[in-house]
Amino acid sequence: QITLKESGPTSVKPSQTLTLTCIFSGFSLSTSGVGVGWIRQPPGKALEWLALIYWNDDKRYSPSLKSRLTITKDTSKNQVVLTMTNMDPVDTATYYCAHYYHYDSSGYYLGGIIDYWGQGTLVTVSS
Amino acid sequence: QTVVTQEPSLTVSPGGTVTLTCASSTGAVTSGYYANWFQQKPGQAPRALIYSTTNKHSWTPARFSGSLLGGKAALTLSGVQPEDEADYYCLLFYGNGQLGVFGTGTKVTVL
Repeated sequence: QITLKESGPTSVKPSQTLTLTCIFSGFSLSTSGVGVGWIRQPPGKALEWLALIYWNDDKRYSPSLKSRLTITKDTSKNQVVLTMTNMDPVDTATYYCAHYYHYDSSGYYLGGIIDYWGQGTLVTVSS
Repeated sequence: QTVVTQEPSLTVSPGGTVTLTCASSTGAVTSGYYANWFQQKPGQAPRALIYSTTNKHSWTPARFSGSLLGGKAALTLSGVQPEDEADYYCLLFYGNGQLGVFGTGTKVTVL
C-alpha cells in the first residue's frame, strides 16, 4: 500500500525559504520509472505542478518557478524534500506530494502517471 | 507559458451523462500528452481517475471514461451519481512526459 505524507511549517514570513518533506512508504525511489512530484493549490484555486524527481535523480521543474525550487531525495530514508526560496503571500497554498511512475509491470512506457497523493499541508505566507 | 483549459463549470442531472474537456494552448491534444484526470472533493486531496488518456485505475468506477475528442482530452461521466459532484482536473505531460501542466479545473454540479 502506497502512502505519502507532507510535513513542514504551517507558516513562513515573506522572503523566507520554505522546506517541505515528503515521507513515503509502499514503494522505492530506486525503482526504474518511479518518481515523486510536488503540486500545490492556493485556496479556492486550481492545482499547479511544481517539481518532479525521478528514481535516477533526474529533476524537472515548473518553468515559471524553476529559479526558486530545489527538489532532492534520500532514497534510504524514503524522503523527498522540496525547498522554495523567497516566499511571497501568493505562495500561500496547500502543498501535496504524489507518487509518479511511467512504466507498467511489463516495462511498457505509459507516459506520466500520478496515482497516490499525500493529504497535503497548508502553508501560509504572512508577515 | 503553456495553458491547459477546462470548462469552468458543468451541471448534470442524476443518471445523466456529462463530458469534460481539456485543451492545450500549444495545439491539439494527442495520446502523447498522456492525459491524467483527477477528482477533488472539498477539503480532500485529489483522487486519480484516469491515466494515459483512457486507462482506469483499479479503483475508478466504471462510469468514468477517458478519450480524445476534437483535439482535446475528455472525461465522460455516464450514469452520474450525486457523489460525483466535485472539481475535476486534467493533467497533461509535455516534452515526452517530462513536464506536467494541470488544467484550470471543472466544477461539476449534480442537480
